[in-house]
Amino acid sequence: AQSVTQLDSHVSVSEGTPVLLRCNYSSSYSPSLFWYVQHPNKGLQLLLKYTSAATLVKGINGFEAEFKKSETSFHLTKPSAHMSDAAEYFCVVRVNAGNMLTFGGGTRLMVKP
Amino acid sequence: EAQVTQNPRYLITVTGKKLTVTCSQNMNHEYMSWYRQDPGLGLRQIYYSMNVEVTDKGDVPEGYKVSRKEKRNFPLILESPSPNQTSLYFCASTKTGPFGELFFGEGSRLTVL
Repeated sequence: AQSVTQLDSHVSVSEGTPVLLRCNYSSSYSPSLFWYVQHPNKGLQLLLKYTSAATLVKGINGFEAEFKKSETSFHLTKPSAHMSDAAEYFCVVRVNAGNMLTFGGGTRLMVKP
Repeated sequence: EAQVTQNPRYLITVTGKKLTVTCSQNMNHEYMSWYRQDPGLGLRQIYYSMNVEVTDKGDVPEGYKVSRKEKRNFPLILESPSPNQTSLYFCASTKTGPFGELFFGEGSRLTVL
């Protein structure tokens, strides 16, 4: 069973409209949760991280994510998409007590003018 | 400038010809790791290192070796590459252990014919 599921492989939005990228995970451990972004031909960059201090996490470039334990979800949102947000986004989770992170399969966000 | 540097960025090789992908970071990070990225699979961890002379297997270690003789360097070795190792490889490091912010190199695209 997949530990981290990004529910959409591709999402297309118009510039100025909201963004929702969905992530569900399965874990028997209190998870650490991250969102990373990958622009074309680049390495990944941290957008935000859930540290258990607050369920709503604010990241860079106006992105937010909400940790919902009951739904085992950590969806990424942004109120208004910008052309520069076009990239691939990865949900990343620590799913057990070991030292490894598990990456979701990625969601490619396209932003139309 | 703080960075993770990988070389080569692009490589085409043939089955069985040993190769090494170098990774160097200038941030004095203790934790370093290697990932491979394949379409639809996200990133999968190959090996990681908690510190000098301390390495451990990730999710997909078969066919790979690593070494960590110095803090800044973490080379990935393919002793006898095969076509199923054709992939995009990323090296990453963190200051605060495996669940801190990962700093990624720009990737090494390897093709094995």
